[in-house]
Amino acid sequence: SQQGEEDPQALSIQEGENATMNCSYKTSINNLQWYRQNSGRGLVHLILIRSNEREKHSGRLRVTLDTSKKSSSLLITASRAADTASYFCAIRGSNRDDKIIFGKGTRLHILP
Amino acid sequence: DTGVSQDPRHKITKRGQNVTFRCDPISEHNRLYWYRQTLGQGPEFLTYFQNEAQLEKSRLLSDRFSAERPKGSFSTLEIQRTEQGDSAMYLCASSRTSGSDNEQFFGPGTRLTVL
Repeated sequence: SQQGEEDPQALSIQEGENATMNCSYKTSINNLQWYRQNSGRGLVHLILIRSNEREKHSGRLRVTLDTSKKSSSLLITASRAADTASYFCAIRGSNRDDKIIFGKGTRLHILP
Repeated sequence: DTGVSQDPRHKITKRGQNVTFRCDPISEHNRLYWYRQTLGQGPEFLTYFQNEAQLEKSRLLSDRFSAERPKGSFSTLEIQRTEQGDSAMYLCASSRTSGSDNEQFFGPGTRLTVL
């Protein structure tokens, strides 16, 4: 399956702590993307990392990609209550297919 | 607001009825995607368009489902003879013409409940 699988399925941490979510996949990829979804709403694109990149930063977000292990991680530093959401990794395969395939997500809950 | 819009936001229907959803993409985006999302799951790809051409359909898209994008702008997704298993959030997204980094912008979704 091309689908990414996030780990853990759910995560609760104290506000101010760092949150780490992982994504594993099985096929070769063109890029891997992370999205956030607040409860009952649409998805918001967070960050994209290409297959030839190993790490990217965007504000409090840090994404790493290890193509040899077929895995990626999303780190949110200094978490805030507003970070409470579901986070999905999405895989774009290395063929010319344009669609992206989402995993099942990690539900992150930031405790006050 | 120049983002992706979807209408209606919520739809409740009885089993066996037909429903139609509309998606208006970001105006300069050539590509339009439909996804379905059930509770606790990630979005599942249904179909996508390049301008008015439907380029791919998922096996999830049964014969009861049909999508159109007649003028290469807005798109409609119709479900005929709805079943309770069709209850889900239907998400639309749009992006610029294919490039490896084309970010998809999502609409707020249409939540369908089939009674």
